[in-house]
Amino acid sequence: QLQLQESGPGLVRPSETLSLTCTVSGGSIVSTTHYWGWIRQTPGKGLEWIASIYHSGSTYYNPSLQSRAAISLDTSKHQFFLRLRSVTAADTAVYYCARDNYYDGSVPSGFFDNWGHGTRVTVSS
Amino acid sequence: EIVMTQSPATLSVSPGERGTLSCRASQNVSNNLAWYQQKPGQAPRLLIYGESTRASGIPARFSGSGSETEFTLTISSLQSEDFAVYYCQQYHNWPAITFGQGTRLEI
Repeated sequence: QLQLQESGPGLVRPSETLSLTCTVSGGSIVSTTHYWGWIRQTPGKGLEWIASIYHSGSTYYNPSLQSRAAISLDTSKHQFFLRLRSVTAADTAVYYCARDNYYDGSVPSGFFDNWGHGTRVTVSS
Repeated sequence: EIVMTQSPATLSVSPGERGTLSCRASQNVSNNLAWYQQKPGQAPRLLIYGESTRASGIPARFSGSGSETEFTLTISSLQSEDFAVYYCQQYHNWPAITFGQGTRLEI
């Protein structure tokens, strides 16, 4: 059974870089039919997709976060990562990693069928 | 950006009754519409995609309908475990996918 688990610091100082890890188990991160993504949830803006990555390293970003976000992966560790730089209080959220439903060789499906439990990140000094 | 608007914000229904949740897109998203269920302290769970296709393991009492800009999630006979927050999401405008703000379904 596929499982995703987020990890990372729960507190980040303003202007610093948020770094999160998602560990994939029970399934292959090098799947040819799935992208892997990060989504966050805030009380104010709700659910917001951040970025997605394929095992080849191909990436997509939310245009509103593209300038600050970076997604990467390490297939040997079955992990993918999110870095979000220059954080502010507005980046306080629960961050989820998730599997995109299906990649047909053109673009990811754009919806997510398996999610991690989420990790809460607070930006505060 | 395609704005997804869900209504009502809160829906009060009795167990055994039908629940009908609405989602409106600010532009035509064809049938590229998903629904998720979220319970307190849990991640969203995919219910419906392609506007009407149930995800794996989702009971038949959940059904989706609609097209273009107007969509509906119907729960035919509400069970106690169905009381949660429901979100719609459009994935028509990749990579600018967007979610609705949610409908809270309460007893």
